[in-house]
Amino acid sequence: NFMLTQPHSVSESPGKTVTISCTRSSGSIASSFVQWYQQRPGSSPTTLIYEDNQRSSGVPDRFSGSLDSSSNSASLTISGLKTEDEAVYYCQSYDSAWVFGGGTKLTVL
Amino acid sequence: QVQLRESGPRLVKSSETLSLVCTVSGNSISTSVHYWAWIRQPPGKGLEWIGNVHYTGDTYYNPSLERRVSISVDTLKNHFSLKLTSVTAADTAVYYCARASSIYYGDILSNWFDPWGQGTLVTVSS
Repeated sequence: NFMLTQPHSVSESPGKTVTISCTRSSGSIASSFVQWYQQRPGSSPTTLIYEDNQRSSGVPDRFSGSLDSSSNSASLTISGLKTEDEAVYYCQSYDSAWVFGGGTKLTVL
Repeated sequence: QVQLRESGPRLVKSSETLSLVCTVSGNSISTSVHYWAWIRQPPGKGLEWIGNVHYTGDTYYNPSLERRVSISVDTLKNHFSLKLTSVTAADTAVYYCARASSIYYGDILSNWFDPWGQGTLVTVSS
């Protein structure tokens, strides 16, 4: 099967924009939908983006998802960063098995 | 509003079987457009998909756990269950249940998990 590789951590200042990547190790990133989840400390994951670029209900439009076939990766972009965006973000996809990326810890400082 | 809640023993002895139940409310488990999933998260680590079950009984397991995992569904009780045999300390984790989409767009599966249960920490003791 394939793996999804995310940066271990990213940091950015409030009000700025950050992009978190998710690179698929084999097979095309576009061959299956990619999802993004947010997990705050002590809480269950919640869906931010499903089916590559669809925002889940109640998710502000500061969050967006996209694919880049040239790098075989998906990206989560968060604009207008807020301190409440500090969390771990996971990408997830499928190819005969459901696979999660390792997670990226976002620090907003 | 769909809600999922995990229940079961929080402490399991090494080499024994871990058993959890996920009770679904606000949504019939007998829906063709959803799977029902188990996902776990070892303390301080990332998420690991364990497996899915469809109300028809079809199951899909993580190849790395397949020999030890069994997931079943009880449509009358509107819940689904996880059994993990021969547990070791490496199976200590927060176990989540979740609903998963099973809709196909052409030959591409919509494969996202939502919502998730609150999770339950299961500790394997020696």
